[in-house]
Formats: sequence, C-alpha cells, structure tokens
Amino acid sequence: GQQVMQIPQYQHVQEGEDFTTYCNSSTTLSNIQWYKQRPGGHPVFLIQLVKSGEVKKQKRLTFQFGEAKKNSSLHITATQTTDVGTYFCAGLVAAGNKLTFGGGTRVLVKP
Amino acid sequence: DTAVSQTPKYLVTQMGNDKSIKCEQNLGHDTMYWYKQDSKKFLKIMFSYNNKELIINETVPNRFSPKSPDKAHLNLHINSLELGDSAVYFCASSLRDNSYYEQYFGPGTRLTVT
Repeated sequence: GQQVMQIPQYQHVQEGEDFTTYCNSSTTLSNIQWYKQRPGGHPVFLIQLVKSGEVKKQKRLTFQFGEAKKNSSLHITATQTTDVGTYFCAGLVAAGNKLTFGGGTRVLVKP
Repeated sequence: DTAVSQTPKYLVTQMGNDKSIKCEQNLGHDTMYWYKQDSKKFLKIMFSYNNKELIINETVPNRFSPKSPDKAHLNLHINSLELGDSAVYFCASSLRDNSYYEQYFGPGTRLTVT
C-alpha cells in the first residue's frame, strides 16, 4: 500500500535558526497537504500543493512539491517558539481517495 | 462557533466495556472521517463516510463500528475495549466534491483503557 515517510522524526532547533522537514511518498501523488499539530491540540490544515514543482510561501514557511510529485518539503526560517509542534504531510493519490499521513516531524525550539 | 466537535474529550474505561464517541460538524461538509493517533503520534485513518455512505473502511477490528445518522454527524462505537485501543481519536470533515480536500479536525477524544 501507499506509504508516506517523513524525516526527521524529531527536530531540535535553536530559536532564530532555519530548518527543513522532508516528506517522501512511495507512489506519485495527486496532491500533498501539510498540517500542524500543537502539543495537546489537533491537526490544523496549513496548505495544499497540487502542481509539479510548486512552491508556496506562508510568511516564514516555504512549501515545495517535487517535480515527480513524490516528495515535498517544508522549510521554516527564523524559527520562533510558536513553531513548536508536529508537522505532518499527507498525500492524496487520486481525487476522492484517502489522505495518507506521514509520521510527522516533532519540532522543539530552544529559546 | 465550533466547526468540528467531539464528545467526550476524555474517556477512561475498563477493558471489556463498550463505549461511544460522538462527532458533529457545522461546516456543511459532505464527508467525515475517524482517525486514530497512537502514543507515537502516528495518524491513521479508520473510516470515512460521504453523504452517510461508508467509503473508506481500513483494516480495523470489527469491534469498531461507525454510524452516520446524517451528513453532519459521525459516531464511533467500540465494543469489548482492549488496552491497545488507548489512543486519541480524531474526527474530521471535508468537502469531497471539489479539488480542495483540506480536512478540519475536531479536538480529539483521549481514550484510556485500564
């Protein structure tokens, strides 16, 4: 079955530094979504990428969809304590199909 | 103005009991989901209903039975609870008839089986 892997599993970042988390699918995706889950909270939708090679920015967050539509990345610049949480990518193989979530990258920020 | 609500928020029960979790969404979505998040934070889909019709049924023990009385509600009944059922259960909803399938999650129900 389809698998979505995320690395790293944990990311310890010094406040102010940049980091990137990566998402890889075993199959070509129709689109990919990113969610953020704060500690004790629920996943909250961040963004969706659909086109091959697409890049989208949300303030300090940059999302990229690979050319082959099998991988994606999330880059955060100048990390803040508010960035703490688990970031999930979720891939959709075909329209109407189920989202397959990656294992998440748990981000801890050192002030 | 809660979009997706779940009750109860916490559920502590003993092995062998039967329990239910309720979910309601007021977003006008046509599709609802149940996810299980284990202690390692893995999010795994269990069921999905579209317009009250079951469309996703993952490999889940048949002790778990979802029920959707209408488009806005999706409940989860669990029979003969086991220790391994302890997890956070999230309900979510989305619109399935467009290309943007972003899902809105409820606050979660933390189930502890002792």
